[in-house]
Amino acid sequence: EAGVAQSPRYKIIEKRQSVAFWCNPISGHATLYWYQQILGQGPKLLIQFQNNGVVDDSQLPKDRFSAERLKGVDSTLKIQPAKLEDSAVYLCASSLDPHTEAFFGQGTRLTVV
Amino acid sequence: RKEVEQDPGPFNVPEGATVAFNCTYSNSASQSFFWYRQDCRKEPKLLMSVYSSGNEDGRFTAQLNRASQYISLLIRDSKLSDSATYLCAVNTGNQFYFGTGTSLTVIP
Repeated sequence: EAGVAQSPRYKIIEKRQSVAFWCNPISGHATLYWYQQILGQGPKLLIQFQNNGVVDDSQLPKDRFSAERLKGVDSTLKIQPAKLEDSAVYLCASSLDPHTEAFFGQGTRLTVV
Repeated sequence: RKEVEQDPGPFNVPEGATVAFNCTYSNSASQSFFWYRQDCRKEPKLLMSVYSSGNEDGRFTAQLNRASQYISLLIRDSKLSDSATYLCAVNTGNQFYFGTGTSLTVIP
């Protein structure tokens, strides 16, 4: 069974530039999560989708971050404009439903210089 | 107050030792509990779910204490390959929170 796919694996951008990350969840998984993990910390939930609807985006910095999951499958996370403190690994995860275990993609390592 | 709290460690233990990690959660309505393992520069991977009755998988035992609102992970007969960061995860309604992780190094 294919796992969660993410791209790109690495991205280096200058501050104030924009960047987008893509995630394809495990087939059949209705719940999709985007997490931000800063070095030495646990994953921080940015946004959670149930099918194509947003369940929780309370920790998403909405002035610069946006995410969508238009057809209830793939999702994109965008940052515009990026700040130095956005340097982190962005992890996408999916689960069958909000109460079952989540499976992670390999993540996108973002460096903002 | 954080939803989930863990002792970050680090824990440095000799091979063959038994080590235990705890994780406390703040919301008494939390429903599902998990332990994940994260190797350096890799994504978290599910280690085991935590059931109310406790569960065991080989050298790993997970327990849930709802009254005190914590979950625990016990690793017996530690191997070098157990060196990693262990993250607890708590599902509260529709939200899935992670602890900061506990770093374990098993020493030869």
